[in-house]
Amino acid sequence: AQSVTQLGSHVSVSEGALVLLRCNYSSSVPPYLFWYVQYPNQGLQLLLKYTTGATLVKGINGFEAEFKKSETSFHLTKPSAHMSDAAEYFCAVSTSGTYKYIFGTGTRLKVLA
Amino acid sequence: DGGITQSPKYLFRKEGQNVTLSCEQNLNHDAMYWYRQDPGQGLRLIYYSQIVNDFQKGDIAEGYSVSREKKESFPLTVTSAQKNPTAFYLCASSSLGQQETQYFGPGTRLLVL
Repeated sequence: AQSVTQLGSHVSVSEGALVLLRCNYSSSVPPYLFWYVQYPNQGLQLLLKYTTGATLVKGINGFEAEFKKSETSFHLTKPSAHMSDAAEYFCAVSTSGTYKYIFGTGTRLKVLA
Repeated sequence: DGGITQSPKYLFRKEGQNVTLSCEQNLNHDAMYWYRQDPGQGLRLIYYSQIVNDFQKGDIAEGYSVSREKKESFPLTVTSAQKNPTAFYLCASSSLGQQETQYFGPGTRLLVL
């Protein structure tokens, strides 16, 4: 069975500091991995996804993530946090066959001035 | 513009009442999904459909029902059997395939009077 674990339900960083949001997955087949962002009372917006090929994936708004098979991780990073990055972030893995997503429980990012 | 619309944005349910949440997409996607979001629990799958006139239960289908009479539409009914319906409901759609991105609507917040 596939699963996703996001370490840290709340993360605070100072404006301009590195953002690191952690995601570990469990999958018996090659995974397809996604990061989404959600602003208050809105739907989810795709930040980036890993399917095959290059393990460092660049997304929107300066975010990137690296797929590390040996560590079963797909952590999301951004070199310099901006106030507008304050939101909730979800990691997800796509299941084979049914194409359902398994979502992590989310990490709420707070950016301090 | 292509996208997913959900209506209403807010919905109030009285005790013993069934209510229906609308989800429409004009992305020509085959698959559609309904998720429930509660604080700290991430997104949980209620129902999904990969083809017209067919749908499958997700992880928390009890107290909910759906239909898929048209490719563009996937309404969700919250029945009186759902004892704790207060939540944020998100509809999504995608093309078929494990690597495909799910696109989300803006959500409907259901509150109980």
